[in-house]
Amino acid sequence: DADVTQTPRNRITKTGKRIMLECSQTKGHDRMYWYRQDPGLGLRLIYYSFDVKDINKGEISDGYSVSRQAQAKFSLSLESAIPNQTALYFCATMAQGLTVNEQFFGPGTRLTVL
Amino acid sequence: GENVEQHPSTLSVQEGDSAVIKCTYSDSASNYFPWYKQELGKRPQLIIDIRSNVGEKKDQRIAVTLNKTAKHFSLHITETQPEDSAVYFCAASRAGGGTSYGKLTFGQGTILTVHP
Repeated sequence: DADVTQTPRNRITKTGKRIMLECSQTKGHDRMYWYRQDPGLGLRLIYYSFDVKDINKGEISDGYSVSRQAQAKFSLSLESAIPNQTALYFCATMAQGLTVNEQFFGPGTRLTVL
Repeated sequence: GENVEQHPSTLSVQEGDSAVIKCTYSDSASNYFPWYKQELGKRPQLIIDIRSNVGEKKDQRIAVTLNKTAKHFSLHITETQPEDSAVYFCAASRAGGGTSYGKLTFGQGTILTVHP
C-alpha cells in the first residue's frame, strides 16, 4: 500500500544539537506538510511544499527549516534544538487538485530535547 | 489567517449515547471542513469532511453539519462505542489547486472517552 513514512520514530537529543527529521511517501502526492502536535494545541503547521521548487512557511516556522529533496522526500531540520521544541512531529501529504483535499499523515516522530 | 476554535476539550459519554463536538472558524473564504480521528499512539486519519455547498453529510453513525452564516460546524456521533474513544480534530481550509490553497488550520482537539 502507498504510504507516508517518517524516520526516526523517536529521538532524544540535547539543547543546541542539530536534528533532522525525514519524511518519505510512495503516494505520488505533490503536496507535503510538516506539523507539530502539542497537548491542547492541536496540530500546527510548520512548513509546507506544493512541489520540489516550492517551500512555504506555516504558522510556527521560527527555529525550523525544511528541504524538499524530491517529490517523495521532505525533511525538517532543527538547527539548534531547544527544550520547547519537544513535541510530536507529523509529516503529511496531499494530492494536487481542486477536489481532493484529504491529507495523509505519517506515523509521527516523538522528539525530546533535554 | 484562519483561526479555528474547538469545544469541548474533553468529552465523556456512556456507551450508546450521542457525542457532539463543535468548531467555529474565522475566514469566510474557507470552504472545506474535515474531521480527523487520532487514536492513542496513532496518526490522525480523516473520518468525514464537508464542503461549503452542503449543509449536512452523514456516514453511518457519524454526521457533520455546517452553518456558513454563523461560521460553525459540528461533528455528531450517535450510538457511541468504546472504539470511538480518541482525539478528534476539526479543520478548515480553502480547497483548490493554487498555492494559496490546501492549507489546513486545525482546532485544538477534543478527547472523547466512551465508557462501557
